[in-house]
Amino acid sequence: DAGITQSPRHKVTETGTPVTLRCHQTENHRYMYWYRQDPGHGLRLIHYSYGVKDTDKGEVSDGYSVSRSKTEDFLLTLESATSSQTSVYFCAISVILGRRDYGYTFGSGTRLTVV
Amino acid sequence: AQSVTQPDIHITVSEGASLELRCNYSYGATPYLFWYVQSPGQGLQLLLKYFSGDTLVQGIKGFEAEFKRSQSSFNLRKPSVHWSDAAEYFCAVGALWNSGGSNYKLTFGKGTLLTVNP
Repeated sequence: DAGITQSPRHKVTETGTPVTLRCHQTENHRYMYWYRQDPGHGLRLIHYSYGVKDTDKGEVSDGYSVSRSKTEDFLLTLESATSSQTSVYFCAISVILGRRDYGYTFGSGTRLTVV
Repeated sequence: AQSVTQPDIHITVSEGASLELRCNYSYGATPYLFWYVQSPGQGLQLLLKYFSGDTLVQGIKGFEAEFKRSQSSFNLRKPSVHWSDAAEYFCAVGALWNSGGSNYKLTFGKGTLLTVNP
């Protein structure tokens, strides 16, 4: 199984402060993703990466930025946290071998509370 | 643009009863289809996937799903539900239409919450 870890697992932060979430993978998969999960909305894509320094926006990217300076790490930054960004954040990697897609492997999630 | 609809937000079944969770997708090419399960407080786990070939696919935990192109559906089934199946289930669609492409991502439905009564 692909190794993927998220840190921190839980965080409480104040409105207006910057926050960075980290996603780390151990198997050099090309594609990495950040989703947020909220009741009634399912999973919504924030940003994704298709290679080192190659990133693109998802459907709910406002207020978020990402960086990927090396294959194994994908960082999500909330520039100035707001209460609407209270959510559970999931990182995922896409396991693609050859032309076969084996789906995503998800991290365990980060529960972020903005007070 | 690809999209996924899970018409049922919440389903309740009795333990031992059969289960069918619905999923309809919209995609302009042959899709790759997935079902994921999420137990409370946990991440998402892959149940099964469809790429091509046999339209009935088997997954873990006794689940199966059938791809019906004419109906744009990929419904998840289980003949006899166990209390441990209580969870939220997500259908997803994607396609590696461009090997090495920059735009590859899965689109998820909003989920169906399954409650199992004893």
